[in-house]
Amino acid sequence: DAKTTQPNSMESNEEEPVHLPCNHSTISGTDYIHWYRQLPSQGPEYVIHGLTSNVNNRMASLAIAEDRKSSTLILHRATLRDAAVYYCILRDGWGTYKYIFGTGTRLKVLA
Amino acid sequence: DAGVIQSPRHEVTEMGQEVTLRCKPISGHNSLFWYRQTMMRGLELLIYFNNNVPIDDSGMPEDRFSAKMPNASFSTLKIQPSEPRDSAVYFCASSLPTGGGAKQFFGPGTRLTVL
Repeated sequence: DAKTTQPNSMESNEEEPVHLPCNHSTISGTDYIHWYRQLPSQGPEYVIHGLTSNVNNRMASLAIAEDRKSSTLILHRATLRDAAVYYCILRDGWGTYKYIFGTGTRLKVLA
Repeated sequence: DAGVIQSPRHEVTEMGQEVTLRCKPISGHNSLFWYRQTMMRGLELLIYFNNNVPIDDSGMPEDRFSAKMPNASFSTLKIQPSEPRDSAVYFCASSLPTGGGAKQFFGPGTRLTVL
């Protein structure tokens, strides 16, 4: 079973920020929080990951709650190309590389 | 640099036939993953290898499925005999073993249709 909970879908207007939430209340102290996205008819692609501190890269920012039981992926200016399913993922236990993908959030970007 | 390469991209076969899916991971990556994606079950991990050794095959649905990694640059996923319920998109991914933060790089997938 997925260890994360995400809304099924969200909408955003083009060029506006998007905040995609994720709950992971059973996270362990050594679990990284990973975000991937899947564009239509493509394989998933890495977006960002973090452990405790907020993280930024060229694609997005990741804000992690102080208790680490939730996180938010932030797209600063959504474009039409950001329309995808966004997955928030934890590993299936310590010492494994096994990801458990949930159903993700389908992001629709409106022109 | 080439990403993860999968072949074929599309496969249509008849029930009972053997199907072999192929994957070439990114050079230097020593972890390889096979996933299956369907509308009903979403994206699920079938098996993963570290240094060519299968580590976790608990997601392999049944004995009809087998996976091999004879060397660091090649892996196969075989279904014999195939059934209509095996119709799905099969993804291969690879990564470096950098602990809990390892990024997985996915291939474009093989869309399998079993008639």
